Amino acid sequence: QVYLAESGGGVVQPGESLRLSCTASGFTFSKYGMHWVRQAPGRGLEWVAFIRYDGVNQFYVSSVKGRFAISRDNSRNTLYLQMNTLRPEDTAVYYCAKDVVGLSVAGVFDFWGQGTLVTVSS
Amino acid sequence: DIQMTQSPFTLSAYVGDRVNITCRASQTLSDWLAWYQQKPGKAPKLLISKASNLEGGVPSRFSGSGSGTEFTLTISSLQPHDFATYYCQQYKSYWTFGQGTRVEIK
Repeated sequence: QVYLAESGGGVVQPGESLRLSCTASGFTFSKYGMHWVRQAPGRGLEWVAFIRYDGVNQFYVSSVKGRFAISRDNSRNTLYLQMNTLRPEDTAVYYCAKDVVGLSVAGVFDFWGQGTLVTVSS
Repeated sequence: DIQMTQSPFTLSAYVGDRVNITCRASQTLSDWLAWYQQKPGKAPKLLISKASNLEGGVPSRFSGSGSGTEFTLTISSLQPHDFATYYCQQYKSYWTFGQGTRVEIK
């Protein structure tokens, strides 16, 4: 059974940093691309970042480019999102999500974690 | 960037009603479109991919149609568990979601 568990959320001030983690189980983590998707309070879903199964390629939504970095440790079945220079508009629940296609990318998210809340406020 | 527009924003319906949610893309997607269901406080759940392919375990009252720039999610007979927010998502070029359609009890 696929299971994704995010951690690392919290309350930070503008300009500060935070690192999110997503621990995966129930599938061969090293064979699947992974995504981060966020949802601001009361708002819709926004794709944030993608990393290829082997970590070679990363893509970001324009609003976080240069501030966020997605990475993974396939030996630990763990996905990360390093968030720097945080802004109030980054306040959201952050979900990690598994891509449906192995050894490639489709951008369809077939399994999601429960989410972790990041609040950026002074 | 490809923009996704859903309509309506909110839909009020009775149990047993047939419900249609529309999703329009700013560029042609072929059939690279997915639908998700999200209930309050929960993660989204994948319902349909490639515009009309129902995911395993999803009830057959859900169906998807369309191609190009216009797509529809249909619930043939609304059930109590179906009251939720529904999102379309394109995966033709990077990944963007529609703003969501909230299905409420009438």
